[in-house]
Amino acid sequence: EVQLVESGGGLVQPGGSLRLSCAASGFTFTTYWMHWVRQAPGKGLVWVSRVNEDGSITNYADSVKGRFTISRDNAKNTLYLQMNSLRVEDTAVYYCARVRVGGDYSLWDYWGQGTLVTVSS
Amino acid sequence: QTVVTQEPSLTVSPGGTVTLTCASSTGAVTSGYYPNWFQQKPGQAPRALIYSITNKHSWTPARFSGSLLGGKAALTLSGVQPEDEADYYCLLYCGGAQPGVFGGGTKLTVL
Repeated sequence: EVQLVESGGGLVQPGGSLRLSCAASGFTFTTYWMHWVRQAPGKGLVWVSRVNEDGSITNYADSVKGRFTISRDNAKNTLYLQMNSLRVEDTAVYYCARVRVGGDYSLWDYWGQGTLVTVSS
Repeated sequence: QTVVTQEPSLTVSPGGTVTLTCASSTGAVTSGYYPNWFQQKPGQAPRALIYSITNKHSWTPARFSGSLLGGKAALTLSGVQPEDEADYYCLLYCGGAQPGVFGGGTKLTVL
């Protein structure tokens, strides 16, 4: 059974840091791109970041570039999101999702249950 | 920066048919945008429904179908059930620095 389980969310003050984790199981982790998506309370989904299968390619939304770092540990089947210089507007539920990319398809399928990050003083 | 636009809300009667659309600010949506569709119910994580325009996941009910329609990606629900009431999001691959852009979502009411 495919499972993605996020952890690491919580309450942090503006300017603070958090590291989110996404533990993957039930599939071959190294064959998937992994993405982070966030959703502010009552708002829509927003793409945050992605990393390729071996961690050599990363991309970020402009809103988090320079502050967030995505990484993965394929030996531990775990995806990470290091979030620094957090702002109130980073408050959201953060989801990890797996994506299979092929020559003529981009297949998003499984998502984690999400972890809530609250940035507030 | 590409903006992806969906209808903010739609209402459909049980048993009816409704089409949700997904437009790109840069022009017509084509196969190269690899549209994906997701359903989200309150308090739940998104659930994938459709990938690369028309392809269903093993768990996607047969009443859901994807297509390209008039330069947009489209999600059609035929024979709508009360449990289909949810928010629906499309995702377009816009390439380069914006590999994924979500639409603002459509709130579907079954009434």
